[in-house]
Amino acid sequence: DAGITQSPRHKVTETGTPVTLRCHQTENHRYMYWYRQDPGHGLRLIHYSYGVKDTDKGEVSDGYSVSRSKTEDFLLTLESATSSQTSVYFCAISGGTGTDPQGRSYEQYFGPGTRLTVT
Amino acid sequence: AQSVAQPEDQVNVAEGNPLTVKCTYSVSGNPYLFWYVQYPNRGLQFLLKYITGDNLVKGSYGFEAEFNKSQTSFHLKKPSALVSDSALYFCAVRGPYGNNRLAFGKGNQVVVIP
Repeated sequence: DAGITQSPRHKVTETGTPVTLRCHQTENHRYMYWYRQDPGHGLRLIHYSYGVKDTDKGEVSDGYSVSRSKTEDFLLTLESATSSQTSVYFCAISGGTGTDPQGRSYEQYFGPGTRLTVT
Repeated sequence: AQSVAQPEDQVNVAEGNPLTVKCTYSVSGNPYLFWYVQYPNRGLQFLLKYITGDNLVKGSYGFEAEFNKSQTSFHLKKPSALVSDSALYFCAVRGPYGNNRLAFGKGNQVVVIP
């Protein structure tokens, strides 16, 4: 999985509790992303990072925050988990635009996912 | 904003027959297009991409895709489907401007029947 790990891989938590998911990469890629995958919705972008301490919102960012203090780590926090946040969460990385005329840096590579259940 | 549409929820095909998974896109400027595959309980795996050049792009596992600018399509194809090709397939598009964000379709479940 392209040097990307996610932890934990499975988590069950109660409504109202804080939850932090971790994404770790060994590829030294500039861009990192958090997605959620739900049936009928495909993948939806939650937040992304374009460098250390540089983050921005995606299309479904409400209820989520992120932090990136090192190139290799991107944390996703659910401040107060709700049942609607039950989902599978994927981290992805990308080298970004780069200067490669073949565009070899544009594609994203995905981690194995975290299955989160909020009861 | 960029977007993709995958019009069929599920594609059923007999083993050995050609496989086609459809994708149409909407984006300002020149599109960067991608196909991914997801096997059960796994992350998405990159299959192929179109950035520029030949309209027929070859990728992993014998898959190829044809870019058609006039029809704004990027259909995924395989000449002879295998049972092991049964999986969820996602099309994605990146706009030409900044931040390398991708917009994904909702996915197509492909079922290859032995």
